[in-house]
Amino acid sequence: DVQMTQSPSNLAASPGESVSINCKASKSISKYLAWYQQKPGKANKLLIYSGSTLQSGTPSRFSGSGSGTDFTLTIRNLEPEDFGLYYCQQHNEYPPTFGSGTKLEIK
Amino acid sequence: EGQLVESGGGLVEPGRSLKLSCAASGFTFSNYVMDWVRQAPKKGLEWVASISTGGGNTYYPDSVKGRFTISRDNAKSTLYLQMNSLRSEDTATYYCAVIPDYWGQGVMVTVSS
Repeated sequence: DVQMTQSPSNLAASPGESVSINCKASKSISKYLAWYQQKPGKANKLLIYSGSTLQSGTPSRFSGSGSGTDFTLTIRNLEPEDFGLYYCQQHNEYPPTFGSGTKLEIK
Repeated sequence: EGQLVESGGGLVEPGRSLKLSCAASGFTFSNYVMDWVRQAPKKGLEWVASISTGGGNTYYPDSVKGRFTISRDNAKSTLYLQMNSLRSEDTATYYCAVIPDYWGQGVMVTVSS
């Protein structure tokens, strides 16, 4: 199985700032990396798939980059609703595997 | 837009069984591989099961193989997860998903005496 290493585990930032979350795969997954936002009681929200393709409805302040084994989610000009949990997940092969999550908190 | 709604969760004693359901709408259910993913309290996401579009192929991690069975009814656009011989470590929120596109809100399963 492909192991996904996500960092950092916790991140604190203020509204208006920019942050980056990293995800590293144990082997090449081509471009097939998804980013989700998770909030209590709600369905996981797909933000980005295939490394850099924004899901319909994802604000343009979100961007994804990377290929192969190293990927980054960048959120620019943080809004209050952006705070929460973020997960990466490889969708290159089965089984799907996930990063351990990043908790983005308000500073 | 696709929507997934899970049901059937609850409190169950160790060794007992539980069956989860997931009602799909807003997309052509029969065209998609379906998955179950779980998340133990304060933990990360763990894939639990997958089923092919026609239902003929199913896949499980070792942690649930032989105890859990995924199935689907394409006529009813519904996905199922039969969970037998439940253990305390199966306690989690269970999500129905079309990875990576659609996720349900999840249903809680608590295994405890």
